[in-house]
Amino acid sequence: NAGVTQTPKFQVLKTGQSMTLQCAQDMNHEYMSWYRQDPGMGLRLIHYSVGAGITDQGEVPNGYNVSRSTTEDFPLRLLSAAPSQTSVYFCASSTVYEQYFGPGTRLTVT
Amino acid sequence: GENVEQHPSTLSVQEGDSAVIKCTYSDSASNYFPWYKQELGKRPQLIIDIRSNVGEKKDQRIAVTLNKTAKHFSLHITETQPEDSAVYFCAASVAYSGAGSYQLTFGKGTKLSVIP
Repeated sequence: NAGVTQTPKFQVLKTGQSMTLQCAQDMNHEYMSWYRQDPGMGLRLIHYSVGAGITDQGEVPNGYNVSRSTTEDFPLRLLSAAPSQTSVYFCASSTVYEQYFGPGTRLTVT
Repeated sequence: GENVEQHPSTLSVQEGDSAVIKCTYSDSASNYFPWYKQELGKRPQLIIDIRSNVGEKKDQRIAVTLNKTAKHFSLHITETQPEDSAVYFCAASVAYSGAGSYQLTFGKGTKLSVIP
């Protein structure tokens, strides 16, 4: 039981490039979410999903897309990277009450 | 939407002393209040949580209290140890049983330093 996994761990992008952050969970949780963490800002919700085929926006969705084709996977896509998207990204899956976070992806956009 | 304020942003205590971190929330419908601990370079991990039908919950050296009327909740750590040094986040959400869906709104975090 690996829990929540994220790839890559580190990534450097140039402004305007696109990429996909991968997230997978093996706990059969219906609910998954993506957060970004910036210094002094806590964790802010980007997008979330309540089940396969269902996604919705969180607090800071601009510049990001998500899809949920399976219960296990919830990838986050950056369409055209900007320096403001430099951050640490955490994926989480959850029961009704407890969220389990992945190890994070540190993204730098130059 | 929900807004969670957390204070203080930094806290230094001597080993063995107690530490208290306070949070307020704005949405009276919120009914679930977890606390997460994040060590440097690691993922946040749940350390304790409280639901709105309970006023206090303890787990060994940590406890959480909830005042629904005032819309605030607090984390108490007693007999602090150096390994308690970390960033602590409070959060609030409206949790729906059965459906399994909710959104967490986090406070901005408190960096706790325990001085040996």
